[in-house]
Amino acid sequence: GAVVSQHPSWVICKSGTSVKIECRSLDFQATTMFWYRQFPKQSLMLMATSNEGSKATYEQGVEKDKFLINHASLTLSTLTVTSAHPEDSSFYICSAATGYYEQYFGPGTRLTVT
Amino acid sequence: QKEVEQNSGPLSVPEGAIASLNCTYSDRGSQSFFWYRQYSGKSPELIMSIYSNGDKEDGRFTAQLNKASQYVSLLIRDSQPSDSATYLCAVQGAQKLVFGQGTRLTINP
Repeated sequence: GAVVSQHPSWVICKSGTSVKIECRSLDFQATTMFWYRQFPKQSLMLMATSNEGSKATYEQGVEKDKFLINHASLTLSTLTVTSAHPEDSSFYICSAATGYYEQYFGPGTRLTVT
Repeated sequence: QKEVEQNSGPLSVPEGAIASLNCTYSDRGSQSFFWYRQYSGKSPELIMSIYSNGDKEDGRFTAQLNKASQYVSLLIRDSQPSDSATYLCAVQGAQKLVFGQGTRLTINP
């Protein structure tokens, strides 16, 4: 149980384009989903928290207009990186929780912006 | 002071020995604590959760919690090379988890 999928697992895009990453909870309903970013050899950095049907809560320093989050259903959240630049290249990981307690992570999406 | 602190390591342990990973946290009101394992290039995997003072055992893993000392630990018995990974301590904060920097563990055959 508690399986979370992400798609795509890796993506390469050109600078200035937008990329959408999907996060799905496969065997449970997630009231809350979280989006993290991780740079090499660094710990997880929480970007935003999203609850189904409401606007995401962004962490300080994360541009909400650049990282668009939609949590349309209890099993699906999407992160769109708009006008991506090379500095946005990173490992993006979502997690899903039935509350704010145990979080189950997706396998991650490796984004490379050229 | 960081909210969740871990020794970044690397911690090197011989195969078959006990690996001991430690974590301290600053929010005395925290109630939920988690250990995640992260292999290089992969996402974190939940391996233990603990909510009450004392020990919680699951197979070769034992989590220990001491709320008075604001201290959480993870013991791995009979360490295997496959246990080599970064271990992240996470503490429940206000509507989110607060992660430590992680301890890199290497099990030497």
